Amino acid sequence: DAGITQSPRHKVTETGTPVTLRCHQTENHRYMYWYRQDPGHGLRLIHYSYGVKDTDKGEVSDGYSVSRSKTEDFLLTLESATSSQTSVYFCAISEHDRGNEQYFGPGTRLTVT
Amino acid sequence: DAKTTQPNSMESNEEEPVHLPCNHSTISGTDYIHWYRQLPSQGPEYVIHGLTSNVNNRMASLAIAEDRKSSTLILHRATLRDAAVYYCILRDVFSGKTSYDKVIFGPGTSLSVIP
Repeated sequence: DAGITQSPRHKVTETGTPVTLRCHQTENHRYMYWYRQDPGHGLRLIHYSYGVKDTDKGEVSDGYSVSRSKTEDFLLTLESATSSQTSVYFCAISEHDRGNEQYFGPGTRLTVT
Repeated sequence: DAKTTQPNSMESNEEEPVHLPCNHSTISGTDYIHWYRQLPSQGPEYVIHGLTSNVNNRMASLAIAEDRKSSTLILHRATLRDAAVYYCILRDVFSGKTSYDKVIFGPGTSLSVIP
């Protein structure tokens, strides 16, 4: 199994509070991704990174920011959590981008009350 | 962006082969066909991928139509652990720029395995 961990695994927070989710990899892969998964929507890309300090937006990036200060860590921040951001968040990594398989973390279940 | 179409759900008996179909009629010449699966309460798991030729690995086989407009994931002997949602997606191998290639995970096929 690819070495990907996510923390926390579960979190309940209140509307308006900041939240940071962490993805950590031990594979030294260049590419990292944050997805959210909601019933009826499948997996949707939030942000991705193609190197240290190199990030770009995915299809549902509003309300989220990311940072990658070192290869192994990719942080997803909700500056001011809203109930619509209640979801399961998955981190993924890949050695290359186009055409290459992705390996997913175990997920973080976030509930915003 | 090229998309895929899969049946919403399928059933199989344990220890029997399972053929999971996927249609991708707008596939481009540089699209790889990837399959992932997601077990309950887990992240998606890579299964197999291919371009034109049939592919085999320890988990499954991938049969690709000659015109590449459809493919079939084959599980040779279904086990209870194979009950999952299976996703067929296309990934563009062309690396003309660094930006993300907009992989689209559709709803997938929910496979039930009957003991």
